[in-house]
Amino acid sequence: AQSVTQLGSHVSVSEGALVLLRCNYSSSVPPYLFWYVQYPNQGLQLLLKYTSAATLVKGINGFEAEFKKSETSFHLTKPSAHMSDAAEYFCAVSDQNTGNQFYFGTGTSLTVIP
Amino acid sequence: NAGVTQTPKFRILKIGQSMTLQCTQDMNHNYMYWYRQDPGMGLKLIYYSVGAGITDKGEVPNGYNVSRSTTEDFPLRLELAAPSQTSVYFCASSYHSTGSAFFGQGTRLTVV
Repeated sequence: AQSVTQLGSHVSVSEGALVLLRCNYSSSVPPYLFWYVQYPNQGLQLLLKYTSAATLVKGINGFEAEFKKSETSFHLTKPSAHMSDAAEYFCAVSDQNTGNQFYFGTGTSLTVIP
Repeated sequence: NAGVTQTPKFRILKIGQSMTLQCTQDMNHNYMYWYRQDPGMGLKLIYYSVGAGITDKGEVPNGYNVSRSTTEDFPLRLELAAPSQTSVYFCASSYHSTGSAFFGQGTRLTVV
C-alpha cells in the first residue's frame, strides 16, 4: 500500500534560515510526488511535483525538492525563509497502482520567527 | 477562470439533519475528489470520480454519498449527520489521476 510520512508536525525556523521539511514515501512502482501548501482558512495549492523527468524539482516561491529513490524521500527545501512562508505543508503520493487516489501525509506546520 | 468552487463555506448542522455540499469545476477535469481534513490527520479521501456517471469509495466513505451527473459537478451528500462528521471538507479536481490536483476553498462543517 502507498503511504506518506512527514517527519515533524511542527517546524520553526528563523527568517532567512534554511527551510527543510521531510517527506518519505512508500510505493512499489515509480511514484508521482507532490508538495502542497495550505494557508490559514484556504484550500491547498500546488508547490511542486515530481513526475520522473528530473530528480531536482523547482517550484513556486523559491521552494524545491529532490527525489531520492534510494532513500524513498522527497524533502522540501528553501534556502532562506520568509515570513510569508508560514503555513501548513503537505506531501502527497500517487502512482499507477493507487487507483486514481492521492495519499497525503499528515502535514507539517511551518512557523517563521522574525 | 473560477477553478474549483465549493458552497457553502460554513455550515452548522444538528445531529440527524442532512445536507449537500456543492462542488463545481470549470477546467473540464475528468477526476474529482472529496476529502475531509481533521487536525493532525492530514486529508482523508471520502469519494472520488473518474468521469461523469462513475464514482468510487475512498478511505472514509461511511455516512456520505456522491453523484456525478455532469463533468462539472460533484456534490457530496451527508445523510443523518453525526458529530464525527464535524470537519473541513475539500473538493478537488485533476485532469489525470497522477496530475496536479486543484482544490476548492473548503467547507467548514460543525455537527451539534
